Amino acid sequence: SQQGEEDPQALSIQEGENATMNCSYKTSINNLQWYRQNSGRGLVHLILIRSNEREKHSGRLRVTLDTSKKSSSLLITASRAADTASYFCATVTPGSNYKLTFGKGTLLTVNP
Amino acid sequence: ETGVTQSPTHLIKTRGQQVTLRCSSQSGHNTVSWYQQALGQGPQFIFQYYREEENGRGNFPPRFSGLQFPNYSSELNVNALELDDSALYLCASSLASSGGRETQYFGPGTRLLVL
Repeated sequence: SQQGEEDPQALSIQEGENATMNCSYKTSINNLQWYRQNSGRGLVHLILIRSNEREKHSGRLRVTLDTSKKSSSLLITASRAADTASYFCATVTPGSNYKLTFGKGTLLTVNP
Repeated sequence: ETGVTQSPTHLIKTRGQQVTLRCSSQSGHNTVSWYQQALGQGPQFIFQYYREEENGRGNFPPRFSGLQFPNYSSELNVNALELDDSALYLCASSLASSGGRETQYFGPGTRLLVL
């Protein structure tokens, strides 16, 4: 079953613009992770935020976590055509042996 | 590149057949997880192996089985294939330590088509 739900399902922007994707989840978590997937191939780990953290940065990525609202957002600044991919949030819940539970993803298209 | 490899890249089978997919973990990793990703969906957890023992299982029937070998490579076996088994199968390796297995490194996947 899906734990996270990303919003929007698809997003199209111009190069240089910022892209924001949101993720909502249902149960308490240990951490939330964001992954990127190009053209239906393997997933690339982008960033992990723990339940006691509110914001993390990695290069052009900024992730926020609001555990009271059970939601997270991923911001990609100054987007590039190479950022075109599907983005998934995944949660790890207590006692799950680090099983990742993924949402359905957001398809981001960055137009040159 | 994550250092996790999977074979084969693509596979076509017919309903009722059996299939074995293989995964070679990143060097030093002792945990492997398998996920099924149907078209347009997020990956779904199948099971996890740690030190050659199953260490958690998702909502998949027993005809999905696995193995982890002493060198930490792994196999996913699916018996009595059904049309709905058509999907991208992803393995992910991680290192279980005092810090947990938080970051998983995914292979490129095997795309299975069942006709």
